Amino acid sequence: QKEVEQNSGPLSVPEGAIASLNCTYSDRGSQSFFWYRQYSGKSPELIMFIYSNGDKEDGRFTAQLNKASQYVSLLIRDSQPSDSATYLCAVNTGKLIFGQGTTLQVKP
Amino acid sequence: GAVVSQHPSWVICKSGTSVKIECRSLDFQATTMFWYRQFPKQSLMLMATSNEGSKATYEQGVEKDKFLINHASLTLSTLTVTSAHPEDSSFYICSAIRTSGDTDTQYFGPGTRLTVL
Repeated sequence: QKEVEQNSGPLSVPEGAIASLNCTYSDRGSQSFFWYRQYSGKSPELIMFIYSNGDKEDGRFTAQLNKASQYVSLLIRDSQPSDSATYLCAVNTGKLIFGQGTTLQVKP
Repeated sequence: GAVVSQHPSWVICKSGTSVKIECRSLDFQATTMFWYRQFPKQSLMLMATSNEGSKATYEQGVEKDKFLINHASLTLSTLTVTSAHPEDSSFYICSAIRTSGDTDTQYFGPGTRLTVL
């Protein structure tokens, strides 16, 4: 079992819809969780991080964490074509472990 | 937000030559930096953890004699790819940890695209 798992996608949503990206992790001791966005040919860009169970909102983005179920998700409201990218989930186990990323396509 | 820079942004070299990549934290001090490699359509692969003032910690399967890491100051880490070969062609990305209170956040540099002919 991979330490951090994501569906590689592509996940396709129409413009204006909510995109939901999911991630599961295996290390129950993980304390901090990160979402990065990576455009093709570019390095990852931090979107947000979450440490506590529940929801954390930042603009159009909401991160959700459920430590009991070992999953973390990212919701993107009012999706825009510019949100089309690969979204990487990362879990801090002492070092940052990345999932393989989910490719999101937002169609106009 | 925090800024991490890398230089050069791209480099093309002949097989057998060595290439040095610099990673700098511009507005914070970083005792720990990381070096990643990413092949096309694949995720980031951690190569090594660079610790200021001590030896780097390499991930399994990464040759420490081939990928030399020097973290000489709190704002600079360098990765030297020695005797580069075409299979070393990849996107090399560094990152640095900024600590604020009890929160550690990892920021990435823009990456260096290495092409070995």
